[in-house]
Amino acid sequence: EAQVTQNPRYLITVTGKKLTVTCSQNMNHEYMSWYRQDPGLGLRQIYYSMNVEVTDKGDVPEGYKVSRKEKRNFPLILESPSPNQTSLYFCASSLYETSGSNEQFFGPGTRLTVL
Amino acid sequence: GQNIDQPTEMTATEGAIVQINCTYQTSGFNGLFWYQQHAGEAPTFLSYNVLDGLEEKGRFSSFLSRSKGYSYLLLKELQMKDSASYLCAAFTGGGNKLTFGTGTQLKVEL
Repeated sequence: EAQVTQNPRYLITVTGKKLTVTCSQNMNHEYMSWYRQDPGLGLRQIYYSMNVEVTDKGDVPEGYKVSRKEKRNFPLILESPSPNQTSLYFCASSLYETSGSNEQFFGPGTRLTVL
Repeated sequence: GQNIDQPTEMTATEGAIVQINCTYQTSGFNGLFWYQQHAGEAPTFLSYNVLDGLEEKGRFSSFLSRSKGYSYLLLKELQMKDSASYLCAAFTGGGNKLTFGTGTQLKVEL
């Protein structure tokens, strides 16, 4: 089954404790992306990656890191989480085609609480 | 900067037609998406418009005018299950960055 998986789905942590949220896709997609979703602010892109070893900042990259060592995986790293990073996080992937649908497939989401 | 505007809330009646508008001011625009998101769930893809005009897909249609920075999503024969948030999003910055609007919460009533 074609899908994007994220782990963990729920996480409660404390300020300053490094954490990683994993994201994996099995569709051989080039484009992968991380978003956070907050009430009243909608989905905001954190980082995106066009392919292996190619990553770039989205609209809200501060406090986050990513890596793309393999095509299927795109982990999100919070080196020193703070309470303002409490949010719902989504990973997504798609083919990247100039004339195609560019449909993004979203993972189920990770609800993160930083105390 | 990038700016995408859509109404916060809309209400419509089951069986009716509703149009959700989206205006955008972005640099390096490459195309516009519409997504549906039910509460507590991940967004699901509805449409992607690159060229001007209307694209129809079942009960859902999406329109784009690049010169006016305007798009709309048209939902026909509304059903209760269409109650959801509808997200407008644009590929910007040369086509790689994706910027979302804050979403339109649609409520379908009997």
